[in-house]
Amino acid sequence: DSGVTQTPKHLITATGQRVTLRCSPRSGDLSVYWYQQSLDQGLQFLIQYYNGEERAKGNILERFSAQQFPDLHSELNLSSLELGDSALYFCASSVVSGMDTQYFGPGTRLTVL
Amino acid sequence: TQLLEQSPQFLSIQEGENLTVYCNSSSVFSSLQWYRQEPGEGPVLLVTVVTGGEVKKLKRLTFQFGDARKDSSLHITAAQTGDTGLYLCAPRGGSTLGRLYFGRGTQLTVWP
Repeated sequence: DSGVTQTPKHLITATGQRVTLRCSPRSGDLSVYWYQQSLDQGLQFLIQYYNGEERAKGNILERFSAQQFPDLHSELNLSSLELGDSALYFCASSVVSGMDTQYFGPGTRLTVL
Repeated sequence: TQLLEQSPQFLSIQEGENLTVYCNSSSVFSSLQWYRQEPGEGPVLLVTVVTGGEVKKLKRLTFQFGDARKDSSLHITAAQTGDTGLYLCAPRGGSTLGRLYFGRGTQLTVWP
């Protein structure tokens, strides 16, 4: 158990819908990272938040957004969903940033029908 | 984004066999990390290699960082069914900052 929790574990929805994925980092970790894992793209970095502020952006679509709240949990919002958004979404956390070890949650499997 | 190539993409072996998987790039890395991802779980950090030519051992797993810090290998001796998983490499440092950029991984299946 990494100490990072993600909910829900599975999510099935339809095209055009909007969903919210939730992540609680390890106790004491200030940075949260979101990754997307799909069969065709592999595991890709989406976005990082540090202590409530956006720190870095990767291959995140404009239809996707994230935020980190004062209690340090984070949410990833996916809107206008398309079939190709079906993937595993992982959250990771680290103490600060930079070269700190990232601890991954168990992921949320999103299926868009 | 550094281009990372991992090979082989798939590897299926019997328990007790030895194997080596590779992570290659044209870029020089400050350091490189290896992760293992088991089905239904997130990646778990196995090791970080930092110095060119460095060799690190973790029980039956031996990790090597290339002299030029552009490539790395993972050798498993006497594979066990518990070694089954997706092995991913990710460079650290430099332009990657805090982000992890993963290779596509090697999916290893060890049969009893």
